Amino acid sequence: GQQLNQSPQSMFIQEGEDVSMNCTSSSIFNTWLWYKQDPGEGPVLLIALYKAGELTSNGRLTAQFGITRKDSFLNISASIPSDVGIYFCAGGSGGGADGLTFGKGTHLIIQP
Amino acid sequence: GAVVSQHPSWVICKSGTSVKIECRSLDFQATTMFWYRQFPKQSLMLMATSNEGSKATYEQGVEKDKFLINHASLTLSTLTVTSAHPEDSSFYICSASRTNAYNEQFFGPGTRLTVL
Repeated sequence: GQQLNQSPQSMFIQEGEDVSMNCTSSSIFNTWLWYKQDPGEGPVLLIALYKAGELTSNGRLTAQFGITRKDSFLNISASIPSDVGIYFCAGGSGGGADGLTFGKGTHLIIQP
Repeated sequence: GAVVSQHPSWVICKSGTSVKIECRSLDFQATTMFWYRQFPKQSLMLMATSNEGSKATYEQGVEKDKFLINHASLTLSTLTVTSAHPEDSSFYICSASRTNAYNEQFFGPGTRLTVL
């Protein structure tokens, strides 16, 4: 089946620093999404990307859909303590009525 | 809007017993619901896709007789873990689809299952 490789696995950064994480796939996705999951909670959607090359921002978050449709990155600028959590990339290969394939997550830890 | 709830939020059961987990879309109708399983510090893995009024579609490697899914209404899907064993201990998360779009799949808060 399809697999998503997400890196890094974890990041220890200082408050105010920028953060970058990415996902790569062995196969093409039609849609890339980025989620944040807090402990004991379900994932919450941050950004959805629909076209190859698309660059989309949501506040301090910016994500891009790779040209090859096999990768995506997420950047967080000027990190703050509430950014702490686990970030997941996810890919959709169908029309939207099917389930998602998730990456393994990036655990973001911020030192004040 | 677009709130999805799960009940219970956590459950502890003895090995060999069955456990039912509910997933409800509170303020919208969901023709499709999805069930995922997440082991500690791992990714979410899709288990099955559930459409209202029809049989669920299970992912490869997921035993349909062990994980019974019922989607009886447009706002409720249930997952029953039958004859649970310790290896079934996991975080079970559902998502409900408001429309046929990936960004319209809303996740529940999850159910922590511990099998003793």
